[in-house]
Amino acid sequence: QKEVEQNSGPLSVPEGAIASLNCTYSDRGSQSFFWYRQYSGKSPELIMSIYSNGDKEDGRFTAQLNKASQYVSLLIRDSQPSDSATYLCAVIPFSGGYNKLIFGAGTRLAVHP
Amino acid sequence: SAVISQKPSRDICQRGTSLTIQCQVDSQVTMMFWYRQQPGQSLTLIATANQGSEATYESGFVIDKFPISRPNLTFSTLTVSNMSPEDSSIYLCSVDGGYGNIQYFGAGTRLSVL
Repeated sequence: QKEVEQNSGPLSVPEGAIASLNCTYSDRGSQSFFWYRQYSGKSPELIMSIYSNGDKEDGRFTAQLNKASQYVSLLIRDSQPSDSATYLCAVIPFSGGYNKLIFGAGTRLAVHP
Repeated sequence: SAVISQKPSRDICQRGTSLTIQCQVDSQVTMMFWYRQQPGQSLTLIATANQGSEATYESGFVIDKFPISRPNLTFSTLTVSNMSPEDSSIYLCSVDGGYGNIQYFGAGTRLSVL
């Protein structure tokens, strides 16, 4: 079982719709969760961090965390073509011992006009 | 967030040679990290570099192949040694943002080995 799993996509949504990206993780003791956005040929850019159960909103982005289900998601409201990128879920597992980020394979999002 | 400068941004190298990648941060940071992103893949941690101690390597990565230096709190280097075409990847450094275990990434080095 992979430590962090994501659907590779592509996830195709029309402009203005809500894009829902999902991620599951295997280490139940994980405490820190991140969503990064990576445009083609660029480095990852932090979108959201979340540490406790529930929702965290920042502009058009909402991160949701459910530790009991070992599940973290990212919602993008009013999706724009500029949101088209690969979204990487990253987790710091309890067993890491230090700030070791484990990345999922990423979900490619395509927002079409 | 920290400003991270990584160079070179890209290079084309011959097999059997070595390349040293530099990562410079505009503020002092405790932890710096080196990742590899192979074509079409996600990021894999190579090693963690703390100032004043040996780097900690992840499973599958060894010091002889990827020696790392961390001479001070703002700078680190990663060397890719005795390169083969399988080393063709993007190499990224990141730094601990100082709160919430957040990491920020440099622009990356795109390496092609012929």
